[in-house]
Amino acid sequence: AQSVTQPDIHITVSEGASLELRCNYSYGATPYLFWYVQSPGQGLQLLLKYFSGDTLVQGIKGFEAEFKRSQSSFNLRKPSVHWSDAAEYFCAVEGGGSQGNLIFGKGTKLSVKP
Amino acid sequence: EPEVTQTPSHQVTQMGQEVILRCVPISNHLYFYWYRQILGQKVEFLVSFYNNEISEKSEIFDDQFSVERPDGSNFTLKIRSTKLEDSAMYFCASSDPGQGNEKLFFGSGTQLSVL
Repeated sequence: AQSVTQPDIHITVSEGASLELRCNYSYGATPYLFWYVQSPGQGLQLLLKYFSGDTLVQGIKGFEAEFKRSQSSFNLRKPSVHWSDAAEYFCAVEGGGSQGNLIFGKGTKLSVKP
Repeated sequence: EPEVTQTPSHQVTQMGQEVILRCVPISNHLYFYWYRQILGQKVEFLVSFYNNEISEKSEIFDDQFSVERPDGSNFTLKIRSTKLEDSAMYFCASSDPGQGNEKLFFGSGTQLSVL
C-alpha cells in the first residue's frame, strides 16, 4: 500500500537560513508527488508537484523539491526562509485510485526564529 | 485566486446527532472531495464525487457518511449519527476537469467536535 513518511514533526530554523523538509514515500509505480502548505486557519495550498520529467521541480514562494527514485524521497527545500514561511507542510502521493485520492504524510511544522 | 468555502468553521455536536458540513467548491470545478484530519494524525481521503455520484471512497467512509450536491453550488458531507471518533478537521476540495489531479483547491476546513 502507498504511504508517505515525514520524519520530522517540528523544525525550527532562523530567518534567512536554508530549509530542507524530508519526505519518503512508498509506491509501486512512478508516483505523483505533492507538497502542500497550511497556514493557521487556512486551507491546504499546493506548493509544487512532480508527475514526470525533470526531477527538480520549482514551486511557489521560492520552494523547490527534488524527486530521487533511488531513495524514494521528495524533499522540499528553500535557500532562505522568511518569517512568513512558518506553517505546517504536508507531503502527499497520489493514491492510485480515482483522481484526487491523495495520501498525506503527518506533516512537519515549521517555526522560524527572528 | 478562487477559493473553496466551508461552513461552519467550527461545529460542536452531541454524540448520536446528525451533522451536515457544507462546502461551496470553485464554480467551474466538476470534481469534489472530502478529507479529514484527526488531531495529531494524517490528512485522510474520505470520498471523491463526480457527475453526481461517488467516484471513490475510503474505508473510513462507511454507511454513516453520505455526500450530496443538492444544487449547482453546494457540496455537503452528512454524518448520520456522530461518534466521538468523528471529531476531526474536515476539508473539502475541488478540482478542474482539465487539470484533474494536478491541483486540488482545499477549503480552510470545518473543525467538528463531538461531545
